Amino acid sequence: GAVVSQHPSWVICKSGTSVKIECRSLDFQATTMFWYRQFPKQSLMLMATSNEGSKATYEQGVEKDKFLINHASLTLSTLTVTSAHPEDSSFYICSARETGLVDNEQFFGPGTRLTVL
Amino acid sequence: AQKVTQAQTEISVVEKEDVTLDCVYETRDTTYYLFWYKQPPSGELVFLIRRNSFDEQNEISGRYSWNFQKSTSSFNFTITASQVVDSAVYFCALSGAPSSGGSYIPTFGRGTSLIVHP
Repeated sequence: GAVVSQHPSWVICKSGTSVKIECRSLDFQATTMFWYRQFPKQSLMLMATSNEGSKATYEQGVEKDKFLINHASLTLSTLTVTSAHPEDSSFYICSARETGLVDNEQFFGPGTRLTVL
Repeated sequence: AQKVTQAQTEISVVEKEDVTLDCVYETRDTTYYLFWYKQPPSGELVFLIRRNSFDEQNEISGRYSWNFQKSTSSFNFTITASQVVDSAVYFCALSGAPSSGGSYIPTFGRGTSLIVHP
């Protein structure tokens, strides 16, 4: 149980294009999902908290117009990197927290490696 | 504010050696959770353990063991008889407990890269 998937697992795109990354909770409902970014040899940095049916909460320094988050259902959140540039190349990881139990932990997806040329 | 310190940036050992990865944390929460994750070269975070702050019993799972010392705010991870497949980056993380007013969003350490040579 508690499986989180991400699609695609990797993507290469040209500078200026937009890329959408999907995060799905496969066997549980997740009111809250999270998006992290990880640069090489660095730790995970929380970008935003995605709440089903409402606007995402972005961490300080994260451009909400550049990283669009949509959490349209209890099992799907999407992160769209708009007008991607080489500096957006990174490993993006989502996680999901099961609805209901107060002290539920997060379950992580396998990550999406974005390379912007 | 919460903080997790993994002072060891990189550890290199030879197969079959035992290795301990250190994790020291800071929190004002009285109830909290500690985690260890493994991140192999593929990038996927592999969950290893979650420990509640009220449970100070050490845990052993196969070649893995964890030593939780609340008095020193440490949650160290030991791999016994290391293998090449253990080569990965290991992250220690800390979160609060919403039931006690804490945040469930984990704070991650910087990670320790473990390299096990054959």
